[in-house]
Amino acid sequence: DQQVKQNSPSLSVQEGRISILNCDYTNSMFDYFLWYKKYPAEGPTFLISISSIKDKNEDGRFTVFLNKSAKHLSLHIVPSQPGDSAVYFCAASIRRDDKIIFGKGTRLHILP
Amino acid sequence: KAGVTQTPRYLIKTRGQQVTLSCSPISGHRSVSWYQQTPGQGLQFLFEYFSETQRNKGNFPGRFSGRQFSNSRSEMNVSTLELGDSALYLCASSSGLPLAKNIQYFGAGTRLSVL
Repeated sequence: DQQVKQNSPSLSVQEGRISILNCDYTNSMFDYFLWYKKYPAEGPTFLISISSIKDKNEDGRFTVFLNKSAKHLSLHIVPSQPGDSAVYFCAASIRRDDKIIFGKGTRLHILP
Repeated sequence: KAGVTQTPRYLIKTRGQQVTLSCSPISGHRSVSWYQQTPGQGLQFLFEYFSETQRNKGNFPGRFSGRQFSNSRSEMNVSTLELGDSALYLCASSSGLPLAKNIQYFGAGTRLSVL
C-alpha cells in the first residue's frame, strides 16, 4: 500500500512559469515531509522539508505547502529554470519510527 | 569532503547468484540507509544502520541483508537473485538522527541487472 502518492508521473512547464508538484499521503501519523530532486545517473539530493506544525516553508525559488486536513502537500518552483528538469520525490516520516517513505516520483520537464 | 561512494556502479548477475554492494558514507556520518529504486515502485526503503546496529528494516524478503562496520562503511547482500531484483540500489548517509531532520546524502547508486 503506497502511503505517499505522487499521482502525476510527469509534468511539463514553460521556462519562467510556476511548477507545482503534488503529493498526497494516507498516514495521518506522518509528522515530517521532505522533497528530493534527482538527476539521471546521480543520487537524489535534498531540496526542502516541512514539519507538520507548519503549513508553509520557503527556500529561495522553492516553497512547500502542507494541508494536513487534506493530507496533501505541494512543491512550488518559481520561476522554473531549465536546470529544474529532474525527477522530484516527495517523502514523509513518522518521528517515532524514523523511516523515510518515498513516493514514486514526478518527472518535471522545463520547456524553453 | 568526499560524498557517498557506492561500488560497483554497475553489476550484471544471473538468477540464483548472490551479490554484495558496498557503500562508504561521508566521513563522520554514522547512519547509512539503503533504498531500492525501480521504475514501477519508486524509492523503497530497505534498511538503516546506525553505529553498526540495524535500526529499521523495510518490507523486503530475508534474501536482502546488510551490515555496517565500525568505520561506518556498509554492505548489502542479496542472495538467490531473482529477475525482479534488477534495480538501482541507493545508499544514503546522515550525520545524525532523527533521519527526517538530518539531511540524507545519497550516492550515485549501483545498477544491478539480473539476467
